[in-house]
Amino acid sequence: GENVEQHPSTLSVQEGDSAVIKCTYSDSASNYFPWYKQELGKRPQLIIDIRSNVGEKKDQRIAVTLNKTAKHFSLHITETQPEDSAVYFCAASKTSNYQLIWGAGTKLIIKP
Amino acid sequence: EAQVTQNPRYLITVTGKKLTVTCSQNMNHEYMSWYRQDPGLGLRQIYYSMNVEVTDKGDVPEGYKVSRKEKRNFPLILESPSPNQTSLYFCASSPSSQGRNEQFFGPGTRLTVL
Repeated sequence: GENVEQHPSTLSVQEGDSAVIKCTYSDSASNYFPWYKQELGKRPQLIIDIRSNVGEKKDQRIAVTLNKTAKHFSLHITETQPEDSAVYFCAASKTSNYQLIWGAGTKLIIKP
Repeated sequence: EAQVTQNPRYLITVTGKKLTVTCSQNMNHEYMSWYRQDPGLGLRQIYYSMNVEVTDKGDVPEGYKVSRKEKRNFPLILESPSPNQTSLYFCASSPSSQGRNEQFFGPGTRLTVL
């Protein structure tokens, strides 16, 4: 079955710098890759997603890149702000069953 | 307001005492799912349902039951809870029939089994 690995488990960056979180997946049939943000004590919420027919997607300070050949995808956050502090989860799924397989999460700490 | 609701939000119980956590969504979503979240392990899927009367096991189904008798509700049942089921539980729904996979999460239920 599908397996998603996420690195690093904790990432500390200076406010204003960029942050990059990486995930790898094992099932080449996976075709949907979302990223969720979970603030302390809150529920996970979708922040950006990408499908396998595109290589990159941007939304203001957030971008996701996908390398299907290498089977990895990354979340890029530029000009980090204190409100970016949270746990970020990557996931992968395929259309056939819509089951999301999740990474273990990355705790992002923004230092003032 | 479009939302996923869960009840109760907090529950402390004892080993072996049957309990049910309810989940309801008002978005007419076909897909619903239950996850448990434990430190360092991320989100692990317990059961999911593609539609009414259709349920499938996720990664960690042992000790849990679910039912999907109607579209809006997807209760999680622990017939005989044990301390290793102490966790934070999330219900989620998704409009999978529309080709979108975004999952909308409930507020979570923190369960402690003594």
